Amino acid sequence: AQKITQTQPGMFVQEKEAVTLDCTYDTSDPSYGLFWYKQPSSGEMIFLIYQGSYDQQNATEGRYSLNFQKARKSANLVISASQLGDSAMYFCAMRESSGSRLTFGEGTQLTVNP
Amino acid sequence: DSGVTQTPKHLITATGQRVTLRCSPRSGDLSVYWYQQSLDQGLQFLIQYYNGEERAKGNILERFSAQQFPDLHSELNLSSLELGDSALYFCASSSGGGSTDTQYFGPGTRLTVL
Repeated sequence: AQKITQTQPGMFVQEKEAVTLDCTYDTSDPSYGLFWYKQPSSGEMIFLIYQGSYDQQNATEGRYSLNFQKARKSANLVISASQLGDSAMYFCAMRESSGSRLTFGEGTQLTVNP
Repeated sequence: DSGVTQTPKHLITATGQRVTLRCSPRSGDLSVYWYQQSLDQGLQFLIQYYNGEERAKGNILERFSAQQFPDLHSELNLSSLELGDSALYFCASSSGGGSTDTQYFGPGTRLTVL
């Protein structure tokens, strides 16, 4: 069964610094997608970035990049130049080719300090 | 704004009651997904519809049901409500259903059962 693990319940970072949020996954499906979502205190779920299991290069979207290490089954999110508005809960999720659902990790609460 | 709309935003009701949550997907998206987010269970997949047909079922209780209408909007019906059903219910939509398919989430409906 697919599983997502986020081992950092909370992280703190200074404004303008970079931060890495960890995510490891477990699947036996050779084809899968990895996603990161942001959930601010207002509650909505905002899609940030996607990485496919067969993608050769790490995904990037603006200040977000995904450090994908397939052999280690990790998909860490890197946020560069943190902003106060980045303070939120961040969820890593996976979707296998054989299924429809997203399986989510427990999330990491990121706090950006001024 | 993801383009997915959900109504109502908040719902307060009593145990034993029945409620209906409504979702309109992004323009052009055929798939609708329902997720439940609670403190003890995290984010859980409930059910998926694709172009009016049920495609996948997750941890959905028998007291819950859903449907997708010809105009592609979807409704999640929750009946015989219990205190434990209090949660944030998300609808998400995507164009198809493969592992590369990004799901975009609505703002959620916060259900409180008293």
